[in-house]
Amino acid sequence: EDKVVQSPLSLVVHEGDTVTLNCSYEVTNFRSLLWYKQEKKAPTFLFMLTSSGIEKKSGRLSSILDKKELFSILNITATQTGDSAVYLCAVENTGNQFYFGTGTSLTVIP
Amino acid sequence: KAGVTQTPRYLIKTRGQQVTLSCSPISGHRSVSWYQQTPGQGLQFLFEYFSETQRNKGNFPGRFSGRQFSNSRSEMNVSTLELGDSALYLCASSSRTVGNTEAFFGQGTRLTVV
Repeated sequence: EDKVVQSPLSLVVHEGDTVTLNCSYEVTNFRSLLWYKQEKKAPTFLFMLTSSGIEKKSGRLSSILDKKELFSILNITATQTGDSAVYLCAVENTGNQFYFGTGTSLTVIP
Repeated sequence: KAGVTQTPRYLIKTRGQQVTLSCSPISGHRSVSWYQQTPGQGLQFLFEYFSETQRNKGNFPGRFSGRQFSNSRSEMNVSTLELGDSALYLCASSSRTVGNTEAFFGQGTRLTVV
């Protein structure tokens, strides 16, 4: 059965801390892995990863994929209260179907 | 460029009723996917429509159905509502061009079944 597992389920950190969110997957016919940030309702796109070992970076956020070990990490450095959200990982297969993890809830305390 | 628009934003229905939700994708996007989000289950895929054809379907009962119109707008219908159908329903649009599968989400429709 195809599945995406995220860890930890929730995380509470102080402003300025660095966090690493994990996403492991077992999805046949992998095409891409995507990270989303969900604050209230609509998830907003962060990164799409298709190749192993190539880091994607956007400001304080970065992500990398390991297709051999079937996982990805999302790093957030110098966290701010505005980073508080649920971070979703999704894997798309070549049949255009997305599988989502249940998310990691991040709370950044001032 | 307008984003993905879902209507209505909130809905309260009673058990046994049916409901229709609407999603207007980003202009030019031909793919619309529907998801159900509940606290315990996370985001679960319902189905995807592309150029008016259902291309993928998740593991939901036949009470959940959808369609897509020629202008790419999509509707999702749930018949014989059950309490467990209470959830946030999200739709996502995508251009589905080669090398670009990024999906943009709407704000969702919060359905409460009482």
